[in-house]
Amino acid sequence: DAMVIQNPRYQVTQFGKPVTLSCSQTLNHNVMYWYQQKSSQAPKLLFHYYDKDFNNEADTPDNFQSRRPNTSFCFLDIRSPGLGDAAMYLCATSRERGRNQPQHFGDGTRLSIL
Amino acid sequence: AQSVTQLGSHVSVSEGALVLLRCNYSSSVPPYLFWYVQYPNQGLQLLLKYTTGATLVKGINGFEAEFKKSETSFHLTKPSAHMSDAAEYFCAGGLSGNTPLVFGKGTRLSVIA
Repeated sequence: DAMVIQNPRYQVTQFGKPVTLSCSQTLNHNVMYWYQQKSSQAPKLLFHYYDKDFNNEADTPDNFQSRRPNTSFCFLDIRSPGLGDAAMYLCATSRERGRNQPQHFGDGTRLSIL
Repeated sequence: AQSVTQLGSHVSVSEGALVLLRCNYSSSVPPYLFWYVQYPNQGLQLLLKYTTGATLVKGINGFEAEFKKSETSFHLTKPSAHMSDAAEYFCAGGLSGNTPLVFGKGTRLSVIA
C-alpha cells in the first residue's frame, strides 16, 4: 500500500542535542508537511514543501529546519531541542497544493527530551 | 478570519447511541471540509471529505457528515457508536486559496459500555 512512513516512531534526545526526524512517502505526492502536536491539541503546521519550494509558517521557531532532498523524503531537523519541543511530530502529504486537497498522515514520531 | 471551530472538546456517548460531533467554519469562499480521526499514538486518518456536489457525505466506519451552508456547519454523525470509535476527531477546512488546511482543536469521543 502506498503510504507515509515516519522513522523512528519514538525518539529520545538530550536537551540541546540536535535531532533529525525522517519521513518518506510512496504516494508520489508533490507536497509534504511537518506538524507538531502536543498532548490533547490540534496539529500545528511548522512548514511545508511544494516540490522543492519551502514554505515556513511565520511562527515556526528558527530552531526547526527542514530538508527535502527528493520527492520521496523529507527531514525535520531540530538544532537545539528544548524541553518545550517534546511532542508528537507528524508528517503529511498531499497530491497538490490547494484547499481541496486532503492530507495523508504518517503515524508520527514521539520526541522526548531528557 | 478563516477558521474552523469544534464545539465540545470532549463528547461521551453510550455504546449504540448516536454520535454527533460539531464543526463550524468561517470562510469567505466556498470551503472544502474534512473530518479526520486520530487513535492514540497514531497519525490522522481521513474519515470523509466535502469538496463539491452532494452535501451529505458518507465516509469510512459508518460515519457521515452534512454540509449546511446556511449554518456554516459540517457536523459528523454516526447512528450507533461502537467502542472502537473512541478516539480524537478533527475537523479541517481548506478555506482560502492555496493555504494548507486549517484544523479545529479536536473533540475527544469516549464510548461507554
